Amino acid sequence: GENVEQHPSTLSVQEGDSAVIKCTYSDSASNYFPWYKQELGKRPQLIIDIRSNVGEKKDQRIAVTLNKTAKHFSLHITETQPEDSAVYFCAASRGGSQGNLIFGKGTKLSVKP
Amino acid sequence: DSGVTQTPKHLITATGQRVTLRCSPRSGDLSVYWYQQSLDQGLQFLIQYYNGEERAKGNILERFSAQQFPDLHSELNLSSLELGDSALYFCASSVEGQGSEQYFGPGTRLTVT
Repeated sequence: GENVEQHPSTLSVQEGDSAVIKCTYSDSASNYFPWYKQELGKRPQLIIDIRSNVGEKKDQRIAVTLNKTAKHFSLHITETQPEDSAVYFCAASRGGSQGNLIFGKGTKLSVKP
Repeated sequence: DSGVTQTPKHLITATGQRVTLRCSPRSGDLSVYWYQQSLDQGLQFLIQYYNGEERAKGNILERFSAQQFPDLHSELNLSSLELGDSALYFCASSVEGQGSEQYFGPGTRLTVT
């Protein structure tokens, strides 16, 4: 089955710097790759997603890139702010009749003022 | 607020007991997913229902079962509870089951003593 690896597990940056989180997946049939942000004790919130027919997607300060050949995708956050501090999860999903997500282990991002 | 509701928010029970967690999907969403989040295992997919029918199974124990009712709400039943079942249980919903965006509910924190 699908396996998603996520790195790094923790990331500390200064406010205003960029942060990059990387994920690799194993199942070449996966075609949907969302990113979730989870604050302590809260629900995971979808922040951006990308499908396999697209190489890059951007939404204000966040962007996601996908390399299907290498089976990896990355989250880029620019001009980080203290409120970006949270745990970020990448996930992968196959198409077809099932849409369940296989998650990476998460990256704890700390943005220092 | 994602539009997905879950009850109860917290549940404390003893080993060997049985509990039922409830989820109401966003209006118009036909697919419901259940995920378990524990510190050591991260976010793990348990089971998916689509329009009342089971669509996919993940790492769900035989002691656990679920169903989706005609009004599309879903219940996750956990029986013969063990200490290791203590976790956050999230449900998520999506319009369909084919790689569409999933929105998470606030979760139910289960503590087994």
